[in-house]
This record gives sequence, C-alpha cells and structure tokens, in this order.
Amino acid sequence: QVQLQESGPGLVKPSETLSLTCNVSGDNINKYGRHWGWIRQPPGKGLEWIGTIYHTGKTYYNPTLKSRVSMSVDTSKNQFSLRLNSVTAADTAVYYCARDPGELSLPAHYMDVWGKGTTVTVSS
Amino acid sequence: EVVLTQSPDTLSLSPGDRATLSCRASQSIDNFLVWYRQKPGQAPRLLIYDASKRATGIPARFSGSGSGTDFTLTISSLESEDFAVYYCQQRSSRPLFTFGGGTKVEIK
Repeated sequence: QVQLQESGPGLVKPSETLSLTCNVSGDNINKYGRHWGWIRQPPGKGLEWIGTIYHTGKTYYNPTLKSRVSMSVDTSKNQFSLRLNSVTAADTAVYYCARDPGELSLPAHYMDVWGKGTTVTVSS
Repeated sequence: EVVLTQSPDTLSLSPGDRATLSCRASQSIDNFLVWYRQKPGQAPRLLIYDASKRATGIPARFSGSGSGTDFTLTISSLESEDFAVYYCQQRSSRPLFTFGGGTKVEIK
C-alpha cells in the first residue's frame, strides 16, 4: 500500500522560507515514469498545483509560483521536498504531497495517491 | 490558461439519488479531464481520469463523460460517503494544470 507523509514546520514567518518533505513508503521514488508533486489548498478554498518532480531532478512548476519554488528529490531516503521562499499570508494553506502516475518518462499531470496534508500558517 | 467552471456550486440530494455534476472548460481540452472527491478534513481522492476512466478501486456508481469543453460526473446512487466536494482538473495545458472551483454535494 502506497503511503505519502508530509512533514515540516506548521508555522512560518512572513518573508521566510517554507520547507516541507514528503516521505514515500510502499513505492519506489525511482520507479520509471513515476512523478511526485505538491498541491496546496488555502483555508476554505480550492486546490492549486505547485509543482512536480521526477527522480532525475527534472521539475515542472506552476508559472505563477515558479520564481519562489524549488523542489528536490532524495532517492536514498525515498523522499522529495518543497521549498517556497518569501512567503506571505497568502501562502497559508494545507500542503499535500502526491504521486503522479506518469506517462512513460513524462508526468501525467494528475495525482493518483495523496498524503493526508499538513497545515502551514504564515504569521509573525 | 484554461479555466474550469463547475456547476452547480451546491447540490442538495438524498441518499440513493442520482447526482449529475458539470465541468466546463474555457477552451477545448480533448478528454484530458480528471475528477476528484474530497471528504471534509481529508485529502482529495482520484475518481476518474481522461474523462471516463475509473481509477483503481472506484466503484461503478461513478461515471464520467464528455470531451472538448463539456464534461459530466454522474453518481448513479448516492451513498453516505459521497456527500463531499468534487473537483474537476484539466491536464491539457501542460505544464500548468488547473482545478475547477468545486461542487459540494450535501444531504437534503
């Protein structure tokens, strides 16, 4: 059974960097075609895709966040990470990590397995 | 950017009723349309991909249809766990994929 678990600080100060990690169990982050992504959901609002990464390090980012986002993968730990810098209150949200099943070596751009999510609040 | 508009915002139905949810795209997305269900306090769950293909483990009461700009998710007979929010998502305009605003299915 594939499980994803987000971890990281629940409170980040404005202008600082939000850092989250997603630990993957029950699947191999190196598996051909598998991609891994982050989606967020502000309180009471809809879903926003942040970005997707392949085990090679190839990344795909939401253009509206691209200047502030970076993602990385640690294959030895079977986990991947998100960094979002210069955060403001508008970045307060539940952050989900998820699996993209992939299409050959490209992302499929939908998510078939999700973590439970972690709440991040941006406040001083 | 492809904009997805879901309707209605809220659907009030009873268990056993048939639910019909709509998702309209601002331009053609072929069949690159995905549906998720999100129960309160939980992560979304994949229901349908490529407009009509049921994801692994999704019961047959869920069906999707449509192509181009107009799509429908039908739940043939609502069960208690189906009272939730449903989101559509397009994967046509890569790398940016976008979600609709959601339809809430509530108990009447």
